Amino acid sequence: KAGVTQTPRYLIKTRGQQVTLSCSPISGHRSVSWYQQTPGQGLQFLFEYFSETQRNKGNFPGRFSGRQFSNSRSEMNVSTLELGDSALYLCASSTAGFSNYGYTFGSGTRLTVV
Amino acid sequence: AQSVTQPDIHITVSEGASLELRCNYSYGATPYLFWYVQSPGQGLQLLLKYFSGDTLVQGIKGFEAEFKRSQSSFNLRKPSVHWSDAAEYFCAVGATNAGKSTFGDGTTLTVKP
Repeated sequence: KAGVTQTPRYLIKTRGQQVTLSCSPISGHRSVSWYQQTPGQGLQFLFEYFSETQRNKGNFPGRFSGRQFSNSRSEMNVSTLELGDSALYLCASSTAGFSNYGYTFGSGTRLTVV
Repeated sequence: AQSVTQPDIHITVSEGASLELRCNYSYGATPYLFWYVQSPGQGLQLLLKYFSGDTLVQGIKGFEAEFKRSQSSFNLRKPSVHWSDAAEYFCAVGATNAGKSTFGDGTTLTVKP
């Protein structure tokens, strides 16, 4: 069965622009979580969506937002990009709605802000 | 609040040697523990998980981990390392009722020929 698909794989944006990243979870997985990975901060939780509702949110500014559609696909948006937003953004889906069962991760979107 | 500590930033082992990666966690209740592996430029892959029951869990690629409640540890082991095991390894603890895991900072494994 297909894995978690993230698009695009790579993005280069200019400071001040906005960006939208997409994630298609494994079929049947209703929970989608987003993480930011940087060399300095490691893996940091952004938010989690379950059945189109944001269930958890990490400590990121309001410039970071997301949503989930009825088919469980999810998008995250970052507005007014800053240089520090350069990172690998990982999407992870989980069965049964809880991370307790473990995640299946996508390959990530590498965002570079210049 | 839950937290995970991986004391070793970088470990180098020779191919064929045994491996142990350390993980210590802090969590108020029975933890849900995981080990993930990440190859360069890729996402993370789940190696194994512990929920309850037998404290020695088997995973993919020949890895195993042992849960020790008294030491708050969940160390990852492999009896004989292969060159393809070179990667970054993350220990994580999962929340009991929500889609959030807390990850350690990772341990980079280098395998010498």
